[in-house]
Amino acid sequence: EVQLVESGGGLVQPGGSLRLSCAASGFTFNSYEMNWVRQAPGKGLEWISYISGTDRTTYHADSVKGRFTISRDNAENSLFLQMNSLRVEDTAVYYCARNVPTRYFFDYWGQGTLVTVSS
Amino acid sequence: EIVLTQSPGTLSLSPGERATLSCRASQSVGATYLAWYQQKPGQAPRLLIYGVSTRATGIPDRFSGSGSGTDFTLTISSLEPEDFAVYYCQQYGNSITFGQGTRLEIK
Repeated sequence: EVQLVESGGGLVQPGGSLRLSCAASGFTFNSYEMNWVRQAPGKGLEWISYISGTDRTTYHADSVKGRFTISRDNAENSLFLQMNSLRVEDTAVYYCARNVPTRYFFDYWGQGTLVTVSS
Repeated sequence: EIVLTQSPGTLSLSPGERATLSCRASQSVGATYLAWYQQKPGQAPRLLIYGVSTRATGIPDRFSGSGSGTDFTLTISSLEPEDFAVYYCQQYGNSITFGQGTRLEIK
């Protein structure tokens, strides 16, 4: 069974940093591309970051470019999101999501972790 | 960036009725690069449809997708109580963007 379990969310002050993790199981992790998608409270979905399976190609949405960095450890079946210079508008539930290689829809999602940016 | 506009914002229907949800793109998303998701309160989104019309694993056949270019539709042929939720379309032909969602509520 495919499982994605996020962790690392919490309350952080504006300008602060946080590192999210996503533990993957039930599939060959390095064969799949991975993403972070967020959802602000009561709002819709926003894709923010992508990483390829093995060559570490990454893309970030303009809203987080230069502040957030996606990475992965295939040996540990883990996905990460390093979030720096956090803003109030980054407050959201952050989901890790898997996509089938070269087909950029998301077939499995984690349960999400809440990040709250507030003073 | 391709903007997806979903309509209506809220759809009120009764179990057994047919639901038709629309997703319009600001420019063509390509031949088959559109997906639909269902999200219930407190849960992660669930993939329903990809490639415009292909049902994901385990999705009942009362869910169907259609369309091309800039206009797409998700149809639920006969609503079950568990179908009342928020539905999002997503395009992946040019970067990745989501629509703002349609809330399907019980009338």
